[in-house]
Amino acid sequence: NAGVTQTPKFRILKIGQSMTLQCTQDMNHNYMYWYRQDPGMGLKLIYYSVGAGITDKGEVPNGYNVSRSTTEDFPLRLELAAPSQTSVYFCASSYPADSNQPQHFGDGTRLSIL
Amino acid sequence: AQSVTQLGSHVSVSEGALVLLRCNYSSSVPPYLFWYVQYPNQGLQLLLKYTTGATLVKGINGFEAEFKKSETSFHLTKPSAHMSDAAEYFCAVRIDNAGGTSYGKLTFGQGTILTVHP
Repeated sequence: NAGVTQTPKFRILKIGQSMTLQCTQDMNHNYMYWYRQDPGMGLKLIYYSVGAGITDKGEVPNGYNVSRSTTEDFPLRLELAAPSQTSVYFCASSYPADSNQPQHFGDGTRLSIL
Repeated sequence: AQSVTQLGSHVSVSEGALVLLRCNYSSSVPPYLFWYVQYPNQGLQLLLKYTTGATLVKGINGFEAEFKKSETSFHLTKPSAHMSDAAEYFCAVRIDNAGGTSYGKLTFGQGTILTVHP
């Protein structure tokens, strides 16, 4: 059982470039989330989705976009990369029947923008 | 709105010593609280959670936490530290929207890095 899989694991971008961070889960979870983690700041919620076709903004959505065409996949897109988006990005998923179910995390994508 | 504050960004203990990681929360509704652990270059793993019921919650790897409403605290403890406990620990509280919905969203504390010395 793979759980939550994120690709790529590492990436270096130039300012102004775009890229898509991929996230897929095989647990049939309806809820999915994107976070960014910066040193000493904990994790901040960027976007979340409660099911295919339904997404909503989290705490820090500016500069990012998401889509959810299937239950399994929840990609995060950076359109115009900026140095402030250098961070570690985590995707997570959870089962919705009880919203107190724990979130399952991927291993992260480490992104540097130079 | 819900929030959590972790007191101490770094905690250092000797192997075999008590581990105490502090977390205080703010919530206008009964809180649902979580502790997660992150090992280097990995994602977060759930240690334990408090929803309702018993205020002393036991988790994996010998960790436990006690929910104290009067102190708005949810401190994480382990009686005897192991070298393998070295990691970063995050306290989190469930976010409740105005209508009482959650969708499982969490807000995290800043994290506490635990170092264990031989």
